[in-house]
Amino acid sequence: QQQVKQSPQSLIVQKGGISIINCAYENTAFDYFPWYQQFPGKGPALLIAIRPDVSEKKEGRFTISFNKSAKQFSLHIMDSQPGDSATYFCAAGSLSGGYNKLIFGAGTRLAVHP
Amino acid sequence: NAGVTQTPKFQVLKTGQSMTLQCAQDMNHEYMSWYRQDPGMGLRLIHYSVGAGITDQGEVPNGYNVSRSTTEDFPLRLLSAAPSQTSVYFCASSYSRSYNYGYTFGSGTRLTVV
Repeated sequence: QQQVKQSPQSLIVQKGGISIINCAYENTAFDYFPWYQQFPGKGPALLIAIRPDVSEKKEGRFTISFNKSAKQFSLHIMDSQPGDSATYFCAAGSLSGGYNKLIFGAGTRLAVHP
Repeated sequence: NAGVTQTPKFQVLKTGQSMTLQCAQDMNHEYMSWYRQDPGMGLRLIHYSVGAGITDQGEVPNGYNVSRSTTEDFPLRLLSAAPSQTSVYFCASSYSRSYNYGYTFGSGTRLTVV
């Protein structure tokens, strides 16, 4: 069973548009929610992360929205650019046990058309 | 500062063969982990380690062994390769007891079992 469910599987957005990717989780022990960006042939790289004590975090054109009661979080990419075309993974983790073990969603392949 | 280095980048194995995927990091990270990436499945955790001499199973550990004799190295062993192990394998490392640092991923090993 997938502990972190991600949608959509793929997304096509026009340049300048808003890209929205959604994730949901079940385990209430999760208290750390990062997003990773992966370009073809490369390993994933940390993009932005949020803790559940805030409902939104913004870094440049990237924003995470977090809804603790619904156990959902989402990534918004404003003014999407062709260079944003990549696969995006949401993840969830907790420091229980003294280490940060991440569980990833299935990924969203984003294509931004010029 | 090389980060996380994985070797080899590509490998073709015959069913039943064994091999070791190498992973080394030079950042003195306590936590290291192995993920496999399959289409539509995202990144699934195979094994992880919170320090030298300490390893544990992730979501999909069957058919794989790990050991951690040094802080720097975390090899993944396939005991008897099966076609179901055809995948892209990623090694990741991080400081274990903090959310302030994301995972650093290697560039991956693409494994095909025929």
